[in-house]
Amino acid sequence: GAVVSQHPSWVICKSGTSVKIECRSLDFQATTMFWYRQFPKQSLMLMATSNEGSKATYEQGVEKDKFLINHASLTLSTLTVTSAHPEDSSFYICSALGLAHNNEQFFGPGTRLTVL
Amino acid sequence: AQKVTQAQTEISVVEKEDVTLDCVYETRDTTYYLFWYKQPPSGELVFLIRRNSFDEQNEISGRYSWNFQKSTSSFNFTITASQVVDSAVYFCALLEDSNYQLIWGAGTKLIIKP
Repeated sequence: GAVVSQHPSWVICKSGTSVKIECRSLDFQATTMFWYRQFPKQSLMLMATSNEGSKATYEQGVEKDKFLINHASLTLSTLTVTSAHPEDSSFYICSALGLAHNNEQFFGPGTRLTVL
Repeated sequence: AQKVTQAQTEISVVEKEDVTLDCVYETRDTTYYLFWYKQPPSGELVFLIRRNSFDEQNEISGRYSWNFQKSTSSFNFTITASQVVDSAVYFCALLEDSNYQLIWGAGTKLIIKP
């Protein structure tokens, strides 16, 4: 149990286009999901906390208009990178908080974004 | 302020050697949780262990063992008889009971040479 999926697993896009990444909790409900960004050889950096039915909470320095987060259901959160630029190329990881699992975070496999 | 320090940026050992990855944390909470994750080259995080602050018993799982010492605020991870498949980046993380955000260490890249 407690599986989180991400789609797509990798994406290549042209500069200026928008990219949507989906994060799904497959076998449990998650009122809270987290979005992380990881640059090569670095640790995970929390971008935002997504709560079902409300606006996401963004960490300092993360542009909310650039990284749109929607958490419309208890099993799905989406991250849209708008007008992507090469500096947005990174590994994006989501996690879902399992209330029924002693508040443990379960991580998706990640999405590798490359912006040309 | 809460913090997790993994001082070893990279460790390289020969297969079958034992290796210990260090993790030191800072927190003011009395209730907290400590984690270790493995991140192989594929990028997917693999959960290894979760330990709460009230349980200082050391844990052993196969070739993996963890030493939790509250007196030194450390939660070290040892791999016995290392194998090439153990090569990965290992992250230590802290979750305070008063907060839902994981605090991540910088990670230690472990290279096991055949």
